[in-house]
Amino acid sequence: NAGVTQTPKFQVLKTGQSMTLQCAQDMNHNSMYWYRQDPGMGLRLIYYSASEGTTDKGEVPNGYNVSRLNKREFSLRLESAAPSQTSVYFCASSDLGQGTPPLHFGNGTRLTVT
Amino acid sequence: QKEVEQNSGPLSVPEGAIASLNCTYSDRGSQSFFWYRQYSGKSPELIMFIYSNGDKEDGRFTAQLNKASQYVSLLIRDSQPSDSATYLCAPPGGGSYIPTFGRGTSLIVHP
Repeated sequence: NAGVTQTPKFQVLKTGQSMTLQCAQDMNHNSMYWYRQDPGMGLRLIYYSASEGTTDKGEVPNGYNVSRLNKREFSLRLESAAPSQTSVYFCASSDLGQGTPPLHFGNGTRLTVT
Repeated sequence: QKEVEQNSGPLSVPEGAIASLNCTYSDRGSQSFFWYRQYSGKSPELIMFIYSNGDKEDGRFTAQLNKASQYVSLLIRDSQPSDSATYLCAPPGGGSYIPTFGRGTSLIVHP
C-alpha cells in the first residue's frame, strides 16, 4: 500500500518557469490538501479539495493553481515560479467522512527557485 | 493572532527524562487534536489524537487536553534519542475540519 505519492522529490526552477507537482493517493480518501513548509513557519495550507470536483483556497494560495483530476489525484501548478516559492511542498489526504480525520502525508517535494 | 501557538524550542532533555510539549489554541469550537511527529527531512506522521478532556495514554506517550484553558500537551516518558524530532500540534481550525498546524516544537533528547 503506497499511501500518498508525490512527484518529483526534488526540483530546481529558474524564476518565471512553470511546473506541476503531482500527488496521488490509493487510500480512497475523499479529501486532499497541499501544504508548504518553510523554516520557522510551520505547515501552511495552499489549497485543498474536500471532494472530487471541488477545490478551495487555503492560507497562502497566491501564485498557485490546483486541479483535482479524479478522486486519486490532486496536482499543484506554479505558473511563473518566484524565489519566494522555494519551499518543501507536502500533499496530504484524509477520509473526511470519518469525523475529523487525521492527515496522511506524502514524502514531500523540495523545490528551489533561483 | 495565529490559531495555534507552540514554543519552537529547541527543548532539550536527557535520555530517560519526561519531555513535555505544549500547545495553545484560539478556536473554542475545536473538538479534536492531533499530534504529529516530523523527523528532519521527512514528512509529518500522526502519533496521537485526543477528542475529550483529560488524558489519553499510548505507550510512552500521553496527550492531555483542557478545553476550558484551550490547552493541549504531549508528554513523552522515558525519552529516547530516537524521539528527537519536531512535534506539531494540529487542531481543526476556524470551525472547520481542516487541520491548522502550529509551528512545531523541536525536541532534542541527548544521551
